[in-house]
Amino acid sequence: AQSVTQPDIHITVSEGASLELRCNYSYGATPYLFWYVQSPGQGLQLLLKYFSGDTLVQGIKGFEAEFKRSQSSFNLRKPSVHWSDAAEYFCAVGAPSGTYKYIFGTGTRLKVLA
Amino acid sequence: NAGVTQTPKFQVLKTGQSMTLQCAQDMNHNSMYWYRQDPGMGLRLIYYSASEGTTDKGEVPNGYNVSRLNKREFSLRLESAAPSQTSVYFCASSERAGRADTQYFGPGTRLTVL
Repeated sequence: AQSVTQPDIHITVSEGASLELRCNYSYGATPYLFWYVQSPGQGLQLLLKYFSGDTLVQGIKGFEAEFKRSQSSFNLRKPSVHWSDAAEYFCAVGAPSGTYKYIFGTGTRLKVLA
Repeated sequence: NAGVTQTPKFQVLKTGQSMTLQCAQDMNHNSMYWYRQDPGMGLRLIYYSASEGTTDKGEVPNGYNVSRLNKREFSLRLESAAPSQTSVYFCASSERAGRADTQYFGPGTRLTVL
């Protein structure tokens, strides 16, 4: 069965530090991968997505993610974190048709220290 | 464009009461979804509507019903609320119901069942 794992429930970084949020997926075929961000009290906003092609994907707000098929990973990165990046981040995989469309990870909550 | 709107933002119910959560989108999307978000569980799909006139169960449909009123609107009904339905509910929409389609989320409804 398809699954998405975000091993870090909470991450704390200092403002200006680099960030990497981990995402591992279990999926037989080429996955469709997404990262969403949820600011406090808000809905989810798409940061970036990967379907095919270049394995390094650029998104909004200075985020990027790298697809590594050999590691079944799609980690999200940002070189310098801003206080406004404090939020919860969800990785998702597009499931095959006839199932549940998206499978979400359980989320990683990011705290940014001033 | 308002995107995806949800009403109400907050609701408190007593066990056994009924209510309907409303969702509307103005992006002319064909597909709409209802999710629930619980701590440590990520987002789980309750029901979805691939196109106007169709609805299908998702991962956790028990205790809920949906109506795709027209292309814009997709409502979620709790006929007899239970404390286990205390959650944050998100509506989303996408152009199509494919696994590659980006989903756009509303701001959520925070529901407490006492």
